[in-house]
Amino acid sequence: QVQLVESGGGLVKPGGSLRLSCAGSGFTFSDYYMSWIRQAPGKGLEWVSYISRYSDAIYYADSVKGRFTISRDNAKNSLYLQMNSLSAEDTAVYFCATLIIREYFEYWGQGALVTVSS
Amino acid sequence: DIQMTQSPSSVSASVGDRVTITCRASQGIRDFLAWYQQRPGEAPKLLIHSASTLQSGVPSRFSGSGSGTDFTLTISDLQPEDFATYYCYQAISFPRTFGQGTKVDIK
Repeated sequence: QVQLVESGGGLVKPGGSLRLSCAGSGFTFSDYYMSWIRQAPGKGLEWVSYISRYSDAIYYADSVKGRFTISRDNAKNSLYLQMNSLSAEDTAVYFCATLIIREYFEYWGQGALVTVSS
Repeated sequence: DIQMTQSPSSVSASVGDRVTITCRASQGIRDFLAWYQQRPGEAPKLLIHSASTLQSGVPSRFSGSGSGTDFTLTISDLQPEDFATYYCYQAISFPRTFGQGTKVDIK
């Protein structure tokens, strides 16, 4: 069955960097557009970034543009989120998700907690 | 950016009740709208996409309607597993945006 597993979360100091990974299995990874979505503690969902199947279309939320970079390696069935210049406002659980008909999040990972604190 | 506004923010209901949640977009989004359910400690789950298309495996007591700026999620015959938070989401333009969420709890 479809499985998405995020890794790379943890505690990082303000101004620091972190790279999240999302490993996909049970499906043909290169067939799917992918996204990152985050959820701050006790808050709602926030869309973060979107990448097309072959990385030719990439979009970011204004709140992370210029600091975060989404990428994928279809040969490794993996999605990544490089996060730089982190601040407390980036503290959240980060979910990766596949998209159906390129628009809607169908399968989700369990989430990776990123905590930005000194 | 397109703002998505849900109402109410919370609703108390009983098993067997019919619950209606509304979502309003700040500009027309045709039918590029989805509804997600999130239980505490879990990842969100896609219920409805394209405003009214029930995702495979989702019970038929969930239904969605609307087009343009005004949308509705209806849960008929509320079940214990339906107590959760519900989010609408627009997929017509970037940046994608969610509504703030509607918590359905037990009366």
